[in-house]
Amino acid sequence: EPEVTQTPSHQVTQMGQEVILRCVPISNHLYFYWYRQILGQKVEFLVSFYNNEISEKSEIFDDQFSVERPDGSNFTLKIRSTKLEDSAMYFCASSEARGGGTQYFGPGTRLLVL
Amino acid sequence: AQSVTQLGSHVSVSEGALVLLRCNYSSSVPPYLFWYVQYPNQGLQLLLKYTSAATLVKGINGFEAEFKKSETSFHLTKPSAHMSDAAEYFCAVSEFNQAGTALIFGKGTTLSVSS
Repeated sequence: EPEVTQTPSHQVTQMGQEVILRCVPISNHLYFYWYRQILGQKVEFLVSFYNNEISEKSEIFDDQFSVERPDGSNFTLKIRSTKLEDSAMYFCASSEARGGGTQYFGPGTRLLVL
Repeated sequence: AQSVTQLGSHVSVSEGALVLLRCNYSSSVPPYLFWYVQYPNQGLQLLLKYTSAATLVKGINGFEAEFKKSETSFHLTKPSAHMSDAAEYFCAVSEFNQAGTALIFGKGTTLSVSS
């Protein structure tokens, strides 16, 4: 069964460093999403992406965040200058464009900022 | 603004017992409601979703949920728990039933099943 994959599974970085989280969505899906979950808190929507553009973003998704589909298979989330509070589990998801657009999630990347 | 509240961060049941995981929502428009499950080291997997077609929704693995507008609830149930049901369960709401729409999640409920 097709699935969303994410790399790396864990990443440790120093405050102020740039990180790139990678996702490979399901191949025929056209919508892509990033969510995050800070330990002990809710899963929060960051951004959705379609046709090489951001279609919706939350207040969390400020200028330090960016997303890109650099090729036909990868979808990335870049955090330019990480802060301690960026430590979280980051989930990628993808969905078809038609119908209800059920979102299929990857296993997540656990980011720890020191 | 939409929000979801899951009552009980941890629920423990015995194998064969009824599973009841509670979810209440707040929405200014007719909501679309979802239950996702996350097994260790895996992504969130859709269990079921409510899109206004029927108030009782059946999902995978024997789970079902009932939409009750008067109670603003969408509780998840399973008549008989199995050890393999131990996981974290998330209730979510969205404003639209279409691709690209953000899901608003609850905090999650961890289900433990003992033999």
